[in-house]
This record gives sequence, structure tokens and C-alpha cells, in this order.
Amino acid sequence: EVQLVESGGNLVQPGGSLRLSCAASGFTFSIYSMNWVRQAPGKGLEWISYMTSDTKTIYYADSAKGRFTISRDNAKNSLFLQMNSLRAEDTAVYYCARSVQWYFDVWGRGTLVTVSS
Amino acid sequence: DIQMTQSPSSLSASVGDRVIITCRASQSISTSLNWYQQKPGKAPKLLIHGVSTLQSGVPSRFYGRGSGTDFTLTISSLQPEDFATYYCQQSFSAPPLTFGQGTHLELK
Repeated sequence: EVQLVESGGNLVQPGGSLRLSCAASGFTFSIYSMNWVRQAPGKGLEWISYMTSDTKTIYYADSAKGRFTISRDNAKNSLFLQMNSLRAEDTAVYYCARSVQWYFDVWGRGTLVTVSS
Repeated sequence: DIQMTQSPSSLSASVGDRVIITCRASQSISTSLNWYQQKPGKAPKLLIHGVSTLQSGVPSRFYGRGSGTDFTLTISSLQPEDFATYYCQQSFSAPPLTFGQGTHLELK
């Protein structure tokens, strides 16, 4: 079964850091581009970051630039998102999503990040 | 950035109804338009990519049309499991990849 499982979400204070992980299984992770997409409580979907299979191309949304870093370990079938200088507006469920031709065909269940003092 | 605007934002309908959700792009995106369904507390699910190609396992009562800037998602005969929020997303230009604000489809 094709599956993505996120972890690492937590309650963190403003200005703090958090590292999210996404474990992939059931498909050849190393040949797919991957993304992080988030959803604030009661709000819509916001794409955050993209990385190609070979890690050579990386994109970020303006809201993430300079604060978030996407990475992956193809040997461990894992995707990561390092989030620094967190703000209240970063509070959201963060989804890991596989992309094909810029659409998202497989999604994880998400992990909740809450930024609050 | 390409802005995606959906209408309506919410919609009440009954089982068996035909419903149409519209998505408009701020500039031409050719046929690079995708639709997702999201149920409460669940991850989004890809329904349609490239305007009209149904993802595997998606019932044929869902179909998409359009090109350029104007697109529609039609559900031909609503089933109880179709009540959810629907999002369009453009895959024409990145970054950023952008979604519509969502259309909440509820039972009348």
C-alpha cells in the first residue's frame, strides 16, 4: 500500500523550532518529487515547499522562505521540514504530499503544529 | 502568482442533485487544473488532474471541464459520501502552486 506518514508535530512557543518527518512506503520514494502542504484550522490548503527526487530543485512559498528548509533522505524513504522562527500563523496541519507533474496524488494524514505561548 | 478563485464558497444540495463548482484562474493555465476532495479530519484526496482525467478509483459521476481560465467540476448525481470540501489547484506555474479557497458542499 502506498503510504505517507508524518510525524514531529507539537506545541511550540513563538520563535521556536520544529522538525517534521514524513515516512514513505509502498512506492519507490527516490524517483518522486515531494512537497509539504499545510492547512490552518478551518482554512484552505497552502502549498509550502517542493523538492525534486534528486534534491537539485527546491521551491518555497514566500511564507516559508528563510525560515523553513525541506530535505530528504532517499536511502531512508524520508522527507523532512525544518521549521525555525515559528509564528502563531504557522499553526496548521502539515501534510506531506507526493507530486506528479505538479499535482499531488498521494497525501499523508498530516501532523499538527501549534505555535503558542 | 496565479490566483485561483472558486465559486460558490458553500453549497447546499440533496442526494441525487447535480452540482457544479466553478474555478477561475487569474491568468491562463491551459489545462493544468486539478481537483481535490477533503472530508473533515481527513487528508485531501486527488479526484481529477489535467482538467478531466479521473484519478484511479474515482466514480464517473465526477467530471471536469474547461481550459484557459475557467473550469468546472460537476457531480452528476450526488451521493451521501460526496458531501465534503472541494479544492481546485493550478499546476501550470510554480512556485507557488496555488489552490482555490475551497467549496464546502453540505446536505440540504
